[in-house]
Amino acid sequence: ETGVTQTPRHLVMGMTNKKSLKCEQHLGHNAMYWYKQSAKKPLELMFVYSLEERVENNSVPSRFSPECPNSSHLFLHLHTLQPEDSALYLCASSRSGGTQETQYFGPGTRLLVL
Amino acid sequence: AQSVTQLDSQVPVFEEAPVELRCNYSSSVSVYLFWYVQYPNQGLQLLLKYLSGSTLVKGINGFEAEFNKSQTSFHLRKPSVHISDTAEYFCAPSENTGNQFYFGTGTSLTVIP
Repeated sequence: ETGVTQTPRHLVMGMTNKKSLKCEQHLGHNAMYWYKQSAKKPLELMFVYSLEERVENNSVPSRFSPECPNSSHLFLHLHTLQPEDSALYLCASSRSGGTQETQYFGPGTRLLVL
Repeated sequence: AQSVTQLDSQVPVFEEAPVELRCNYSSSVSVYLFWYVQYPNQGLQLLLKYLSGSTLVKGINGFEAEFNKSQTSFHLRKPSVHISDTAEYFCAPSENTGNQFYFGTGTSLTVIP
């Protein structure tokens, strides 16, 4: 398997559920990112990890909880979400956390919160 | 602070015609500039990027972009589009300090046969 993979590809959950999104990169990169993509809005950077340490958290609600156990894996734990959290969640990785680096994106998880 | 504006949300164009997708940004510091493309049901992938040097940058699939510092623009062009170019295109400047990337709202390019 190559590139950046995300599972599941689609997820429907109720507001009281707990679920997790998984991202795995096979590129040997040291930085990983979570983005939220909503219709007609710019991509929102949620979290940045560089060398497994969180370096950026753009004021994301605490109902989203990231975890980066190693440089190849990134999780987004979801708890008591709201309907407005429905969106496409994209994971990306790059060689380092520098802003000159190309980011490689996974196909995304389409999340629907009922 | 940084902002990015993609002036056209939707661009329809006939096959084999030229196209220009516009991007303007504002920043008080030096920037790096990226264009990404997103095909249906896929993640974003890099088309091209400007880091330094020549202001005319060539990317994949025949696309190119020109960095204009005085106009703070980084417009994307292709002289002859194909059906397969139908996709969403994102301009993404980043400042050369910090960890922040900025993405525009995207331009939906539809190539008409």
